[in-house]
Amino acid sequence: QQPVQSPQAVILREGEDAVINCSSSKALYSVHWYRQKHGEAPVFLMILLKGGEQKGHEKISASFNEKKQQSSLYLTASQLSYSGTYFCGTERGGNQFYFGTGTSLTVIP
Amino acid sequence: DTEVTQTPKHLVMGMTNKKSLKCEQHMGHRAMYWYKQKAKKPPELMFVYSYEKLSINESVPSRFSPECPNSSLLNLHLHALQPEDSALYLCASSQGAGGPLNEQFFGPGTRLTVL
Repeated sequence: QQPVQSPQAVILREGEDAVINCSSSKALYSVHWYRQKHGEAPVFLMILLKGGEQKGHEKISASFNEKKQQSSLYLTASQLSYSGTYFCGTERGGNQFYFGTGTSLTVIP
Repeated sequence: DTEVTQTPKHLVMGMTNKKSLKCEQHMGHRAMYWYKQKAKKPPELMFVYSYEKLSINESVPSRFSPECPNSSLLNLHLHALQPEDSALYLCASSQGAGGPLNEQFFGPGTRLTVL
């Protein structure tokens, strides 16, 4: 039931771009993205609903392909503050929510 | 106030102890959640309360007992835990209950160690 993310880990230099993928074997009705910094709670980034939409949040955007049951998170011109673990998540209805496997992102100067 | 608070921050307990974790939000959210997170793993859903009623129990052992005394408070009662229950316990809340899931707001968590 848990969505699978790739890559598991990525290291970037400041200013570089990254893509994080999220894939599910079950139908996705929506996809959520969260970022969790070490020792802190997850923080909401965005929700994508059915309809193949793409959303943006500062220099972080995401797409959702419901037919392929996939979502991708795009980080452009990465900053040191982007470091953390990124989780996608999906809901099953009734507020039942499953986080993906996670992607550790490290941005170095 | 967009904050979810959790107490205590850290808890060490023996396997025969009884303790409780507390979570509070004052955002008027109608759904509240308990998650368990092991190191380097994603949070795992344990319980969901919708309108103060338990709506989801993800086959959690009975040594974990949730309680929602009112719409702002969520407790997790712990009894006879095992060392493998050591983890970060996260509380979260979201605006709606039923319908599309909204953004979840997470508390800072309680770091639990079972000896």
